[in-house]
This record gives sequence, structure tokens and C-alpha cells, in this order.
Amino acid sequence: GDSVTQMEGPVTLSEEAFLTINCTYTATGYPSLFWYVQYPGEGLQLLLKATKADDKGSNKGFEATYRKETTSFHLEKGSVQVSDSAVYFCALSDQIGNQFYFGTGTSLTVIP
Amino acid sequence: DARVTQTPRDKVTEMGQEVTMRCQPILGHNTVFWYRQTMMQGLELLAYFRNRAPLDDSGMPKDRFSAEMPDATLATLKIQPSEPRDSAVYFCASGSDSNIQYFGAGTRLSVL
Repeated sequence: GDSVTQMEGPVTLSEEAFLTINCTYTATGYPSLFWYVQYPGEGLQLLLKATKADDKGSNKGFEATYRKETTSFHLEKGSVQVSDSAVYFCALSDQIGNQFYFGTGTSLTVIP
Repeated sequence: DARVTQTPRDKVTEMGQEVTMRCQPILGHNTVFWYRQTMMQGLELLAYFRNRAPLDDSGMPKDRFSAEMPDATLATLKIQPSEPRDSAVYFCASGSDSNIQYFGAGTRLSVL
């Protein structure tokens, strides 16, 4: 069945460092891919999405490219800030939106 | 600013008591999801509804959990009887045809 595998955490970076959180997926058909972020004490919120191969989702300096050839959707940011400290979830939905899968989450802490 | 509203935010109860959690989805959304989040298991999908009909509740312990949508503005998740292992944060999310899920702030349940 469909699934999402993301990089184990926790990840600790210094402010202004480069961030990569890996995410790979297994799916039949053409899923949509998402990154969600969860700040302490809050629910998840959409960070970015991509709905077809080679699409690049971007938001708040974060980017992820839908790579069908490597079945990946890695999250990147060129210069992280303390305010980016949160848990990041990679997610997948099938073509017709009947199945949804979340990764296990990667905790990011950015230190000044 | 449309948002998913969950009540209560926090609930402390004793083992054996009934617990009811409520969710008001965003107006116009036709899908509602219930998730449970714990440190050990991460984010687990318990059930989800489309147009008020249950589509998948395979993640939900049937003997004690029940989920309903009495109308389009209210979803409920009940646990009866509650057990200490049910202690977790329970999230409701709603969505529409875009496959994006909008999460509430969660109900933090502690069963003593």
C-alpha cells in the first residue's frame, strides 16, 4: 500500500544553517504530496504542497520538489531561524483523496 | 479567519468515565478526520467522514470508540469507557476537494 517515510529526528541546527529533511514515498498512481508543520501546543498546518511530478511547492522560504523518478519530496530551507523550530510532517494523499498518509514527523530545533 | 474548532482543549478524567470530544469543521468542508497523537505512536488516523458518511474507521478501537457526525457542523468522538492508554492529544481536521487538511488545536486527554 501507499506510505511515506521521512527522516528520523531530532534535528538540531544553528541559526542560518541549511536544512534538509528527507521524505520518500511509495504510491500507486499519481499522489499529491504535502509538508505540514506543527508548532508546540498547536495542530498541524499546511506548509506547502505539490500535486504532480516536477512541481515545486514553496512557502516561508521552504521548498520541496516532487521527484517521481526518485519518489522523493525532500524539504529544504536555505537559512533557518529560531522560529522554524517545530515538528515537520511529510504526507501523501491518493489521486481521489480517499487515502491519506502522514510520516512520523521530524523534530527541528534551531539554536541562536 | 476560518478555522476548525475543537472542544474541550483539555480534559482530565478517571478511568471508566465517558469522554466526548467535539469538532466544528470549517464551513463548507465536506471531509472530517479524527487523529490521535502520542509520543510513542506518532499521528494515527482514527476515522474519517465524507459528506457526513463514515468512509474509514479502521484505525479506531471499535469496542470503546465511536465517531459520528450528527450534522455538517459537528463531529464527535466518544470513548466509553476510557482507559489510561487513551491519554493522548486528539486532533480533528477538515477538508474539501483540494485534499488539504485543516487541523484544529486538539483536545489533550488525560485518563487517570
